[in-house]
Amino acid sequence: KQEVTQIPAALSVPEGENLVLNCSFTDSAIYNLQWFRQDPGKGLTSLLLIQSSQREQTSGRLNASLDKSSGRSTLYIAASQPGDSATYLCAVTWGGANSKLTFGKGITLSVRP
Amino acid sequence: DTGVSQDPRHKITKRGQNVTFRCDPISEHNRLYWYRQTLGQGPEFLTYFQNEAQLEKSRLLSDRFSAERPKGSFSTLEIQRTEQGDSAMYLCASSLAFEQFFGPGTRLTVL
Repeated sequence: KQEVTQIPAALSVPEGENLVLNCSFTDSAIYNLQWFRQDPGKGLTSLLLIQSSQREQTSGRLNASLDKSSGRSTLYIAASQPGDSATYLCAVTWGGANSKLTFGKGITLSVRP
Repeated sequence: DTGVSQDPRHKITKRGQNVTFRCDPISEHNRLYWYRQTLGQGPEFLTYFQNEAQLEKSRLLSDRFSAERPKGSFSTLEIQRTEQGDSAMYLCASSLAFEQFFGPGTRLTVL
């Protein structure tokens, strides 16, 4: 069964800390992987998309890496800020560009001032 | 590019009533997806359209659920005879290539 796992479910860090959010997935034959941010009661904001042929993507203070062979992706957030507090979701597509996203349950991040 | 929009943002209904949600994708996006998200969970796929054709439906989409995308533009999701278990956030996403862009969601509460 194709599944996405994100552990831990919640994380609390002091402001300014660099942090890594982990995502693991079964079945290494992914098409692409997307990281999203979700604020409470809101929709999803796409942060980064990594194609299966890529190893990493960067946007500002965010860097996402992909290791298909080990079934893992990480989202690195540099110099965290209280405004980064949100739930971060990892989602995988297996079947091609048209296919659905399979999500993890997310990691709720709290950055303390 | 005004983003994906969804209407209504919130819906409270009584068990047994029918409800309909609307999603307007980003213009020119030919693919449209519906997902459902319950508290503490990631979104789960419901159904997918390419243009006006409904190409995939999840087993989560019971006979009480129906989705349409007439003319390949906006889409509607209808739930008939709502149950308390239908209470969730219903999310719509659209895409043109690889990346899916989500709307703000419709929060459904069934009393």
